[in-house]
Amino acid sequence: NAGVTQTPKFQVLKTGQSMTLQCAQDMNHNSMYWYRQDPGMGLRLIYYSASEGTTDKGEVPNGYNVSRLNKREFSLRLESAAPSQTSVYFCASSEARGDYGYTFGSGTRLTVV
Amino acid sequence: QQQVKQSPQSLIVQKGGISIINCAYENTAFDYFPWYQQFPGKGPALLIAIRPDVSEKKEGRFTISFNKSAKQFSLHIMDSQPGDSATYFCAASQGTYKYIFGTGTRLKVLA
Repeated sequence: NAGVTQTPKFQVLKTGQSMTLQCAQDMNHNSMYWYRQDPGMGLRLIYYSASEGTTDKGEVPNGYNVSRLNKREFSLRLESAAPSQTSVYFCASSEARGDYGYTFGSGTRLTVV
Repeated sequence: QQQVKQSPQSLIVQKGGISIINCAYENTAFDYFPWYQQFPGKGPALLIAIRPDVSEKKEGRFTISFNKSAKQFSLHIMDSQPGDSATYFCAASQGTYKYIFGTGTRLKVLA
């Protein structure tokens, strides 16, 4: 089925550990995004990639890095996890203008202890 | 100026009633206003969207009302059903690829 696939679905990390969240889309979309969702704070943009080969910071980029590996894949890396990064992470993709809206993945629930 | 303020935080409606969720923005450069619906354990999904050149858009039981002068827009769910129970997010974008999301409204429709 066409869509956005995120892995893993759940992860528990110890403070200071690193990990990479993977995202892939098969809709030939140009733009991809990483959001985090926290209770009462909605969805906040971490990083985005307007097109293959470009990445830019969003609202809350500190503590994260991203790689747009190719047109399909956009990964998010936590180099040294902190409890404040406990959240649900969503990857999304869209056409260049976004008229058709974002297509979101099903999320990764990350707990940092 | 980049914020989108959403209210109420939570809403309980009887089956068959009307659910109304409101959003306000400050940046007059925003030109696209979507609403997303999210069920527990799932990612948000696009529900309906509007541009500021129209004042209302209707798709089935869902209607967006847009007031450009007041910088407000709202989602109306007519004949609300228990299956509509979800979290709803408004958003706005400014000719770029990035949405600014509201904080969400948790809707519960009682059977």
